[in-house]
Amino acid sequence: DGGITQSPKYLFRKEGQNVTLSCEQNLNHDAMYWYRQDPGQGLRLIYYSQIVNDFQKGDIAEGYSVSREKKESFPLTVTSAQKNPTAFYLCASSSPIRSTYNEQFFGPGTRLTVL
Amino acid sequence: AQSVAQPEDQVNVAEGNPLTVKCTYSVSGNPYLFWYVQYPNRGLQFLLKYITGDNLVKGSYGFEAEFNKSQTSFHLKKPSALVSDSALYFCAVRVGSTLGRLYFGRGTQLTVWP
Repeated sequence: DGGITQSPKYLFRKEGQNVTLSCEQNLNHDAMYWYRQDPGQGLRLIYYSQIVNDFQKGDIAEGYSVSREKKESFPLTVTSAQKNPTAFYLCASSSPIRSTYNEQFFGPGTRLTVL
Repeated sequence: AQSVAQPEDQVNVAEGNPLTVKCTYSVSGNPYLFWYVQYPNRGLQFLLKYITGDNLVKGSYGFEAEFNKSQTSFHLKKPSALVSDSALYFCAVRVGSTLGRLYFGRGTQLTVWP
């Protein structure tokens, strides 16, 4: 059954801790994306990757880091430098590379709460 | 700069009535437009897209959208709303020069009451 999985579904972090959100896809998609969703603000792009071992900053990359060592995986680390990390995080993927037409497919999301 | 506007935060409609969720865009280049739906605490689901051709596109669950280049709009419509259509709807635009990234509107909460 093809799709995008995100784990965990809920994550709690103490201030000053780094946490890593997992995103895995078995759709054989080249491109992967991370978005942050806050109430009333829509989706904001954090990072995206068009190909393995390459990624670009989105609109709100400060305080976040990513890696793309495998085509299937695009983990997001929320560092202690991110001052307001409580949000709903969504991972997405699309294909083929550089296509302007194809829609993005979304995972179920991870809700991060800072205690 | 590319941007998408959804001028209504909330749309309320009675079941069985037609519904419209509005979207306007501002891009430099040819737009590729998308509608997504989100149910509470879930990811986004793709509804439909406009790439080229017929200005009226049909999508999932009976939804359709009309592309209007002169008004830079891409409104989502459904002839007869269902209570189960109640959800958060997002319009998004992609432009060819931006390596596939999407720009999203802020979302419109649709409530269909029985």
